[in-house]
Amino acid sequence: GAGVSQSPSNKVTEKGKDVELRCDPISGHTALYWYRQSLGQGLEFLIYFQGNSAPDKSGLPSDRFSAERTGGSVSTLTIQRTQQEDSAVYLCASSLEGGTYEQYFGPGTRLTVT
Amino acid sequence: QKEVEQNSGPLSVPEGAIASLNCTYSDRGSQSFFWYRQYSGKSPELIMFIYSNGDKEDGRFTAQLNKASQYVSLLIRDSQPSDSATYLCAGPGLTFGSGTQLTVLP
Repeated sequence: GAGVSQSPSNKVTEKGKDVELRCDPISGHTALYWYRQSLGQGLEFLIYFQGNSAPDKSGLPSDRFSAERTGGSVSTLTIQRTQQEDSAVYLCASSLEGGTYEQYFGPGTRLTVT
Repeated sequence: QKEVEQNSGPLSVPEGAIASLNCTYSDRGSQSFFWYRQYSGKSPELIMFIYSNGDKEDGRFTAQLNKASQYVSLLIRDSQPSDSATYLCAGPGLTFGSGTQLTVLP
């Protein structure tokens, strides 16, 4: 079946602009995760959605970052007033449920802030 | 302290050898662990998961979980150059280790 999809695959933006990154999880998966990965680094957790529960936003690095998940499916990660340090690969993952289930990752969006 | 810690890398092994990747965790209540492989420039892909104490084998891969000592490991037998990647250990939910870079030398 279809895996996790993300768009765009690459995004180049100027410092100070807003960007929106999209994630379409595997159908039927109730849990959705956003991570950030800088070059050569590990995964940095950003935000986690589980069903209709309030999202876990504990990983968002600043109030410039926000995310929403509409209808329990597609999610959008928004970065306002982008900074150069926001340059990274943004990865989305989904799992059948949260907690003990394995996560399946999308191909990522490579964000470059110039 | 991170909930999941991986042994420092990078790790190099010759082709055909056994590669051993290790991870320790802090939450005694953790029940499930996952190993992901990430090739350079690609996203992580799940290769093994283990829920119970002991060993779990899948082809050349063996995952080991020791709840008493709070460690989980991944053994790769007959390592191949195509196994060269970064291996991420993950606990339940949101806890990923920082990864160990493995290079298998032909």
